[in-house]
Amino acid sequence: QQQVKQSPQSLIVQKGGISIINCAYENTAFDYFPWYQQFPGKGPALLIAIRPDVSEKKEGRFTISFNKSAKQFSLHIMDSQPGDSATYFCAASIAGTASKLTFGTGTRLQVTL
Amino acid sequence: GAVVSQHPSRVICKSGTSVKIECRSLDFQATTMFWYRQFPKQSLMLMATSNEGSKATYEQGVEKDKFLINHASLTLSTLTVTSAHPEDSSFYICALTGGRNTEAFFGQGTRLTVV
Repeated sequence: QQQVKQSPQSLIVQKGGISIINCAYENTAFDYFPWYQQFPGKGPALLIAIRPDVSEKKEGRFTISFNKSAKQFSLHIMDSQPGDSATYFCAASIAGTASKLTFGTGTRLQVTL
Repeated sequence: GAVVSQHPSRVICKSGTSVKIECRSLDFQATTMFWYRQFPKQSLMLMATSNEGSKATYEQGVEKDKFLINHASLTLSTLTVTSAHPEDSSFYICALTGGRNTEAFFGQGTRLTVV
């Protein structure tokens, strides 16, 4: 059972554009929602994370929007750059910690010139 | 964030042999370590969770006798793939959290190829 659904599977955005990746979860006990960036052959690196007590969090060009009632959250990358080309994973865990993360299926982002 | 060193980054082994992967925390006391497995172009699947000094807790469907995990100290965890088969070929990634468990820090991963 896939507890965190992620879309789209792949995304092509022009340089300077906005990249939007969406995730939906099923388990209402989840209360920690991080986004990870992974380059080929490397481990994931934390980009930004949010907890259900806020609806939006922004860090630089990265913004998480969170809709608790819809059980959805999304990552927006503003002013997308070629260096942002990577695979992005949303994740979720319980008890407000990073323990036992359940990952989405991943989105391969390509930012073109 | 914490610096996590995973070694080796790539390993090729013959079927039937065992392979040990190390995950070290260089600047952080990791009370909990996780081992994930990732197939090409797929997501990360949690294999097991280990707390320092305790036996690992394995996820459903993961053979504990095949994937031996040792979390001997706050800075070192090892994953040993025993009697490796070609279907064990995958990307293995460790992650660790500290006392407050507010963020997971990932290693660089190990690409295992069993021939």
